[in-house]
Amino acid sequence: DAGVIQSPRHEVTEMGQEVTLRCKPISGHDYLFWYRQTMMRGLELLIYFNNNVPIDDSGMPEDRFSAKMPNASFSTLKIQPSEPRDSAVYFCASSFAGTLSNQPQHFGDGTRLSIL
Amino acid sequence: KQEVTQIPAALSVPEGENLVLNCSFTDSAIYNLQWFRQDPGKGLTSLLLIQSSQREQTSGRLNASLDKSSGRSTLYIAASQPGDSATYLCAVEGSQGNLIFGKGTKLSVKP
Repeated sequence: DAGVIQSPRHEVTEMGQEVTLRCKPISGHDYLFWYRQTMMRGLELLIYFNNNVPIDDSGMPEDRFSAKMPNASFSTLKIQPSEPRDSAVYFCASSFAGTLSNQPQHFGDGTRLSIL
Repeated sequence: KQEVTQIPAALSVPEGENLVLNCSFTDSAIYNLQWFRQDPGKGLTSLLLIQSSQREQTSGRLNASLDKSSGRSTLYIAASQPGDSATYLCAVEGSQGNLIFGKGTKLSVKP
């Protein structure tokens, strides 16, 4: 099993540019989570999907952020336009059962995003 | 609002020592508590999950305890090794299914 795969691993771009982060969950997992990690705020849930449908996006910081899951094996997190305060490590995680299931989430290695 | 605190933020011990990492949470109405390990530049790896009805879980040299009434959990690592060096994060899952994470304890085990 390849685990959760995220790309790119690192992204450096200028303020105002569009940024797209990608995630491939573990095959058979029908829950997918997007998190953001910063030194100040720690690890925060942004949004999660069940069977490709967004269930809770209350953690998405503002309208500049959007996430999609067009099929069971692919999800994107898009920031448009990007700002320096969006600099963080973004993690994707998947699980075969969702919240309140006592099943662990499996994390990718993250995308380190720097907005100049 | 649930808050999760981990103290200390960093810990350095010599190899072979037994050690305890602490986690506290403000709202005792949790569904479960989870401990994760994070290596530099990597994602999180689930170590132990304690359901709200349980008091502890063990995996190898790791033992995690949960005291819901006092809002505390500990992660005990026996006979520490340099390979245990990592950041350890505690997270609680509330009734709404959202995982709330602490900021972690960075552990360094010196050979």
